[in-house]
Amino acid sequence: EAAVTQSPRNKVAVTGGKVTLSCNQTNNHNNMYWYRQDTGHGLRLIHYSYGAGSTEKGDIPDGYKASRPSQENFSLILELATPSQTSVYFCASGDAVHQDTQYFGPGTRLLVL
Amino acid sequence: GEKVEQHESTLSVREGDSAVINCTYTDTASSYFPWYKQEAGKSLHFVIDIRSNVDRKQSQRLIVLLDKKAKRFSLHITATQPEDSAIYFCAASRYYQGGRALIFGTGTTVSVSP
Repeated sequence: EAAVTQSPRNKVAVTGGKVTLSCNQTNNHNNMYWYRQDTGHGLRLIHYSYGAGSTEKGDIPDGYKASRPSQENFSLILELATPSQTSVYFCASGDAVHQDTQYFGPGTRLLVL
Repeated sequence: GEKVEQHESTLSVREGDSAVINCTYTDTASSYFPWYKQEAGKSLHFVIDIRSNVDRKQSQRLIVLLDKKAKRFSLHITATQPEDSAIYFCAASRYYQGGRALIFGTGTTVSVSP
């Protein structure tokens, strides 16, 4: 099974601070995704990438940037964190051929004070 | 925009009974419909999927039905067991720039009591 790891697992940040969430996958998948999970909203797609060097906006990209420096790594960056970004963030990966099947990381719980 | 609506937010069943979760989607181009399970405090993992070229798929105690005309699909968990207690998410494929991704429903919390 695909191995997707995330760091940190828990993070407390201050309003206006910069937060970087990291994701690593070891299965050579081309596609990677960042979601946030909030009660009543399910999972919502923030950014995604189809390969190293590429990032695309998902459904709720405002306030977030993404970076895909390599096949294995995909970061989510909050330049100016706000309390509304308090959430659980999941990274997922999938290969280009069977791109519909996604494998999820363990999640990062972010609290912005 | 495209949406996936998950109709039951909670579902309580007795062990051994069946649980049914219903979802509807809006994008007629959607052709892939997976289901994910999230146990308490854990991440999501894939449980079963169905593609638009079939209308029924079964994997052990899980059955997925797809009605393309109604744009509706459902997950049936038969002979439920306590370990089936979890949040279940339905999803549908949608096209984004450069490829395809998933749009998720809001989740159904299933509780199986002895």
